Amino acid sequence: EVQLVQSGPEVKKTGESLRISCKGSGYNFANYWIGWVRQMPGKGPEWMGVIYPGYSDTRYSPSFQGQVTISADKSISTAYLQWSSLKASDTAIYYCASQVETPILGAFDLWGQGTMVTVSS
Amino acid sequence: EIVMTQSPVTLSVSPGERATLSCRARQSIDNNLAWYQQKPGQAPRLLIYGASIRATGVPARFSGSGSGTQFTLSISSLQSEDFAVYYCQQYHDWPPFTFGPGTKVDIK
Repeated sequence: EVQLVQSGPEVKKTGESLRISCKGSGYNFANYWIGWVRQMPGKGPEWMGVIYPGYSDTRYSPSFQGQVTISADKSISTAYLQWSSLKASDTAIYYCASQVETPILGAFDLWGQGTMVTVSS
Repeated sequence: EIVMTQSPVTLSVSPGERATLSCRARQSIDNNLAWYQQKPGQAPRLLIYGASIRATGVPARFSGSGSGTQFTLSISSLQSEDFAVYYCQQYHDWPPFTFGPGTKVDIK
């Protein structure tokens, strides 16, 4: 089965670091762009950035550049989203998404189940 | 960054009726537009890409149209499972891909 499976919910304190993961299976993970999307409580989704695991080519949304780090390990078909110092405003659900059937970068047809990150002081 | 807008904010429709949702880009994005459906507690689901191409498994009652700056998602006969929030998203000029604010389709 083609799927993306994300790591479980996280509860952290402000200033702590965090890395969440997204593991692909059932397809050639290295050959498809994979992205991260933030959805704050009650709000719409926002693209944070994308990575091509085969080359580790990474592109960030200007709003998230310098705030997070996106990486991938193609040997284990896993993408990561990392923070060095969390803020309360990072509280959100984070989705990873890829595209395995649509031929155009930007139309993401495969989504993870989401990881809830809660940051409190 | 390309700003996307959607209207209406909420659309109240009776089951079996047609729903028409609008999406506008502040500048031309050709046909580089996708539509997603999101239900509570679920990830977004791709419905349409290329402004009018249905993604795999999407029922034929969903159709998309438009190009340039004006786009429409139509649902020909609303089923109970179609009540959700719908987002348009451009991928013409990135980073970043940008979503619209969404249209909530609820039961009249």
